[in-house]
Amino acid sequence: AQKITQTQPGMFVQEKEAVTLDCTYDTSDPSYGLFWYKQPSSGEMIFLIYQGSYDQQNATEGRYSLNFQKARKSANLVISASQLGDSAMYFCAMSGIYNQGGKLIFGQGTELSVKP
Amino acid sequence: KAGVTQTPRYLIKTRGQQVTLSCSPISGHRSVSWYQQTPGQGLQFLFEYFSETQRNKGNFPGRFSGRQFSNSRSEMNVSTLELGDSALYLCASSHDRDEQYFGPGTRLTVT
Repeated sequence: AQKITQTQPGMFVQEKEAVTLDCTYDTSDPSYGLFWYKQPSSGEMIFLIYQGSYDQQNATEGRYSLNFQKARKSANLVISASQLGDSAMYFCAMSGIYNQGGKLIFGQGTELSVKP
Repeated sequence: KAGVTQTPRYLIKTRGQQVTLSCSPISGHRSVSWYQQTPGQGLQFLFEYFSETQRNKGNFPGRFSGRQFSNSRSEMNVSTLELGDSALYLCASSHDRDEQYFGPGTRLTVT
C-alpha cells in the first residue's frame, strides 16, 4: 500500500529565509508521481509542484523546488525567500500507476508559519 | 481559464438527511476526484470519475455515491447523514492522471 509521511506537524521560518518541509513515501509502484499542495486558511488546495518518479532532475517552480531522493524515498519541498503569504498548511501527496485513476494519497500536512 | 467551482460552499444538515454537492471542473478536464478532509483523518480519497465512469473508489461506505455528467460536471451524494460526515469536501479536476486542481470546497456540518 502507498503511504506518505510528513513528520513535521508545524514549522516556523523567518521572512526571507529558506525552509525545507519533509516528506517520505512508501510505494511498490514502479511509476509514481509526487505532488505538493498548499492549503491556506480559506481551505482551497493550491497545486505547487510535481515530480515524476523517472524524472532525472529535481522539479522547480519559481520559489519552490522539490528535493527528490529516490533511494531514500523522500520528496522534500524547499521554499526559498519565504514570504508572509506562505503561511499555510502544506501537503505532500502521491499518485501511482496502479491507482487506476486520479487518486492521490496525502500526508498529514505541515503547518508553516512565516514570522516577520 | 476559470478554476474548479463547487456549490454550495457551506451547508448545515441534520442527522439522517441526505445531501448533494456539485463540482464543475476546469474546462477540458475529464477527470473529477472527490476528497473528504477532517481534522482527525486528514484528506481521504472518496472516488474519481472519468468520462462519466467511476474509475476508482476509496474506502467509504455505500452512503457516499457520485456521478459525472457528459459535460464533466460531477455530483456527490451522501445519504443518511451521520455526525461524523461533518467535513470539508474537496473536488479536484485534471486532464487524466496528471496534477489535480482543487476547488474551494464545501464545508458540511451535520447536527
